[in-house]
Amino acid sequence: QQPVQSPQAVILREGEDAVINCSSSKALYSVHWYRQKHGEAPVFLMILLKGGEQKGHEKISASFNEKKQQSSLYLTASQLSYSGTYFCGTVFWDTGNQFYFGTGTSLTVIP
Amino acid sequence: NAGVMQNPRHLVRRRGQEARLRCSPMKGHSHVYWYRQLPEEGLKFMVYLQKENIIDESGMPKERFSAEFPKEGPSILRIQQVVRGDSAAYFCASSPKSGGLNTEAFFGQGTRLTVV
Repeated sequence: QQPVQSPQAVILREGEDAVINCSSSKALYSVHWYRQKHGEAPVFLMILLKGGEQKGHEKISASFNEKKQQSSLYLTASQLSYSGTYFCGTVFWDTGNQFYFGTGTSLTVIP
Repeated sequence: NAGVMQNPRHLVRRRGQEARLRCSPMKGHSHVYWYRQLPEEGLKFMVYLQKENIIDESGMPKERFSAEFPKEGPSILRIQQVVRGDSAAYFCASSPKSGGLNTEAFFGQGTRLTVV
């Protein structure tokens, strides 16, 4: 049931853009995005509740394609502080009580 | 989020001992989730609890692991007869209502269990 994220890892130079994808084999009710820095707790970024919904947080935005059962996280003009591991968390229609985290994407931004 | 308190932050146990991990959710939150994270891996769901109820424990190993969330006090994740493979970071998260619907889950800083 774990959603699959791609890519597994990405290295960016400051100012470059990146896209992280989260795909599920099951119908999604909602998608959450979290960022975790090494040795720290995951930090909430945003929730997407409706198919087609898009949200933004600073220069980080996300979209949710309910039909394709996937979500994408967009990071534009990346900053050093964006480094970390990004997880999507998904709530499925048939198990709405909890969510599963994706496989994770390690993002490293270098000067 | 500093509002979810986990203790201890670090716990060292010898093989065969018991480990008790505590999680106090944010004020007003009645839903608690436990996740395990192995080194360099993602977060794996273990159990979802509400006050005095286990809602979903499908991610919890059938043996040696148990969790509770009593009416008063913190949620406890108990691991009996620990083995080296139990070494991991255990994160607790809380939310004000049922799993992720319109809400975010706030995470504690985690307990890092090391079994020697």
